[in-house]
Amino acid sequence: ELKVEQNPLFLSMQEGKNYTIYCNYSTTSDRLYWYRQDPGKSLESLFVLLSNGAVKQEGRLMASLDTKARLSTLHITAAVHDLSATYFCAVDKGGTASKLTFGTGTRLQVTL
Amino acid sequence: DAGITQSPRHKVTETGTPVTLRCHQTENHRYMYWYRQDPGHGLRLIHYSYGVKDTDKGEVSDGYSVSRSKTEDFLLTLESATSSQTSVYFCAISPSGDTDTQYFGPGTRLTVL
Repeated sequence: ELKVEQNPLFLSMQEGKNYTIYCNYSTTSDRLYWYRQDPGKSLESLFVLLSNGAVKQEGRLMASLDTKARLSTLHITAAVHDLSATYFCAVDKGGTASKLTFGTGTRLQVTL
Repeated sequence: DAGITQSPRHKVTETGTPVTLRCHQTENHRYMYWYRQDPGHGLRLIHYSYGVKDTDKGEVSDGYSVSRSKTEDFLLTLESATSSQTSVYFCAISPSGDTDTQYFGPGTRLTVL
């Protein structure tokens, strides 16, 4: 059974600081996705990582994938208040259809 | 934004009653999914569809059934709702079952009393 663990579960950080969210998973996969969810809203796709060593960047967010370590990271550079949200990683173990197993999410709060 | 709507957006029902949630897409995507979101669990896959009349179970399918008679509609039915099915339900779509990301609908908040 595929298990996906995120840490930390809650992160309070000051504007301008850097931090990293970690996503570990238990079985082999080279398909990992990051999503963002604002309170009471739907999920928004951030990054799709499809191979070992993949790195994607968008604004102050950068995601990477190490399939050998079964680890993905979401790095936040110089945080701003607008990044406050819950971030989920999700892993696809392959096969018919893309059946995602989600982590429990990291709630990020950026304070002034 | 992907053209996905869910109905109803909010529903309160009583234990033992049947409930049907609808997901409608205008993107003509082949794959459709139903998830539930609960605190401390992230999202969990209930059922998915890989074409008209082609469906399969996810990790938390007990107590749920689905149907897809048209490409654009994917229905989730709770045959006899229980309080443990109180949750937020999200529909998602993707063009392929391979490496495309999934696009999520706005969600349905269901409360079973």
